[in-house]
Amino acid sequence: DQQVKQNSPSLSVQEGRISILNCDYTNSMFDYFLWYKKYPAEGPTFLISISSIKDKNEDGRFTVFLNKSAKHLSLHIVPSQPGDSAVYFCAAVAGNTPLVFGKGTRLSVIA
Amino acid sequence: EADIYQTPRYLVIGTGKKITLECSQTMGHDKMYWYQQDPGMELHLIHYSYGVNSTEKGDLSSESTVSRIRTEHFPLTLESARPSHTSQYLCASRATGQERTDTQYFGPGTRLTVL
Repeated sequence: DQQVKQNSPSLSVQEGRISILNCDYTNSMFDYFLWYKKYPAEGPTFLISISSIKDKNEDGRFTVFLNKSAKHLSLHIVPSQPGDSAVYFCAAVAGNTPLVFGKGTRLSVIA
Repeated sequence: EADIYQTPRYLVIGTGKKITLECSQTMGHDKMYWYQQDPGMELHLIHYSYGVNSTEKGDLSSESTVSRIRTEHFPLTLESARPSHTSQYLCASRATGQERTDTQYFGPGTRLTVL
């Protein structure tokens, strides 16, 4: 049973608009959430994270929102740029256990 | 900037060869991980370690083995490579901390092709 789900395999957004990537989780023990960006043939790059005690974290163009009651988090990228085109992975962790990753969402930002 | 390194970045070898993929980090992180990813597919955890002399198998069964003799070094070995081992191998590390800022960092990956 998948504990972290990214239900949209792909997303296309016009340059300059907002990209919203969604992630749902089932394990209520998760207390820390992360987003990674991955280009082909490279390792994932850490983007932004959020603790379960917060509901929002912002870093430049990237904002992560956490809704614990809905077990849902989202990554907002605004404005979207062509260089943001990549696969985005959502990950969650409970304590010191290994991170649990979603299957990823491929974002395409169209100029 | 994450200080985690993987060598080689690309490797093409013949079936039956023994190979070792190197992973090193200079951040002093206790936890280290190996993932396998096929193009466009999800990340699969194949091995992890909580510290020196600690190794565990991950969610995906793998014919590879790992060792952790030094904190900074976590090599992965395939005794006899097969075409089914063709994939991207990603190493990662994470600190053990009291605060929930234990970000996990990835290396650049090794793209392995077994002919």
